[in-house]
Amino acid sequence: GNSVTQMEGPVTLSEEAFLTINCTYTATGYPSLFWYVQYPGEGLQLLLKATKADDKGSNKGFEATYRKETTSFHLEKGSVQVSDSAVYFCALSDELGGYSTLTFGKGTMLLVSP
Amino acid sequence: ETGVTQSPTHLIKTRGQQVTLRCSSQSGHNTVSWYQQALGQGPQFIFQYYREEENGRGNFPPRFSGLQFPNYSSELNVNALELDDSALYLCASSSDGAGSSYNEQFFGPGTRLTVL
Repeated sequence: GNSVTQMEGPVTLSEEAFLTINCTYTATGYPSLFWYVQYPGEGLQLLLKATKADDKGSNKGFEATYRKETTSFHLEKGSVQVSDSAVYFCALSDELGGYSTLTFGKGTMLLVSP
Repeated sequence: ETGVTQSPTHLIKTRGQQVTLRCSSQSGHNTVSWYQQALGQGPQFIFQYYREEENGRGNFPPRFSGLQFPNYSSELNVNALELDDSALYLCASSSDGAGSSYNEQFFGPGTRLTVL
């Protein structure tokens, strides 16, 4: 079946550092790809998405490019802030016999210090 | 526009008991999906309801069941609770879930279930 693999955390950075969180996927067909963020004690918020190969999703300074040749969707940000501290989940859409849902990676915790 | 809401926020049960979790979908959404997020893990798909019928199911036993009501709100019921059922249960709503390509799912804040 489809699956998502993320780099293990925590990722610990100082404010204004460059961020990369790696994500690779295994899928049949052509799924859409997503990054979700989860702040402590909260549910999931969609951060960005890409629906086809070579698409770049971006939001709040975060970017990720759908790379079909390497089956990757790495999350990047040029300058992180303390408020970016959260858990980040990479996910893909599964189209399954008439309905669609999400398959998530295990999540990567990001800790940003002042 | 009201977002996805879930109740209760937290719940403590003992092994063997039954629990019901509730979810109100976002206005205009007719599809509700439930996910289980164990500590330190990503969410796992339990099942999806579209227009009051189960539309798809993940790898969860039958003691996990659900309902969707005419107003598209939903319940998740878990019977014979086990310690491993302790998790954050997330509800997500979207539109036109059956036979269509992926539509964005909007998540609620979750219900934290602890089984002792």
